[in-house]
Amino acid sequence: DQQVKQNSPSLSVQEGRISILNCDYTNSMFDYFLWYKKYPAEGPTFLISISSIKDKNEDGRFTVFLNKSAKHLSLHIVPSQPGDSAVYFCAASGSPYGANSKLTFGKGITLSVRP
Amino acid sequence: DGGITQSPKYLFRKEGQNVTLSCEQNLNHDAMYWYRQDPGQGLRLIYYSQIVNDFQKGDIAEGYSVSREKKESFPLTVTSAQKNPTAFYLCASSIRANDSPLHFGNGTRLTVT
Repeated sequence: DQQVKQNSPSLSVQEGRISILNCDYTNSMFDYFLWYKKYPAEGPTFLISISSIKDKNEDGRFTVFLNKSAKHLSLHIVPSQPGDSAVYFCAASGSPYGANSKLTFGKGITLSVRP
Repeated sequence: DGGITQSPKYLFRKEGQNVTLSCEQNLNHDAMYWYRQDPGQGLRLIYYSQIVNDFQKGDIAEGYSVSREKKESFPLTVTSAQKNPTAFYLCASSIRANDSPLHFGNGTRLTVT
């Protein structure tokens, strides 16, 4: 039973346009959400996080939106750059708050940004 | 430069042999983790350690063992009891166990034939 779903395995976007990566979750106890980015042959790197008490968190070109009622979060990248091409993992954590030992990862979305 | 070092990058073993994957961090992080990634799958937690000399099973601990004798080191042994050991293994650390992003190493790809 997948508790964190990234239903689209891939996304292709033109450079300069917006990339929207979606993530759905089923466990209403999740209260802390993160996005990680992974290049081939490297480990994931932390991108941005959001607490369930917020509905938006922004860091430069990256914004994460959280819709708790829909159990849905999305990562917006504006403007998209070729260097953003990578696999993006959505992750969610429940009690205790933000416990890394309770992180559930999605399968990842491969983003390709075309020059 | 602080970071997490996993070695080796590629590892090949014969079925029935135990193999130990190395993970060292110089970030002074308290917590360390081992994840496994299979094709088309999310990361799954094998073991984690919140403090030296203490570790806990994750979601898929069967066939694996760990030790945490030093803050900097968290080696993972894949035993012959692990039924599907071929995978990409990622080690991670975090400043604290909660509300603290994971820092990952570059992984070890283990192939068992």
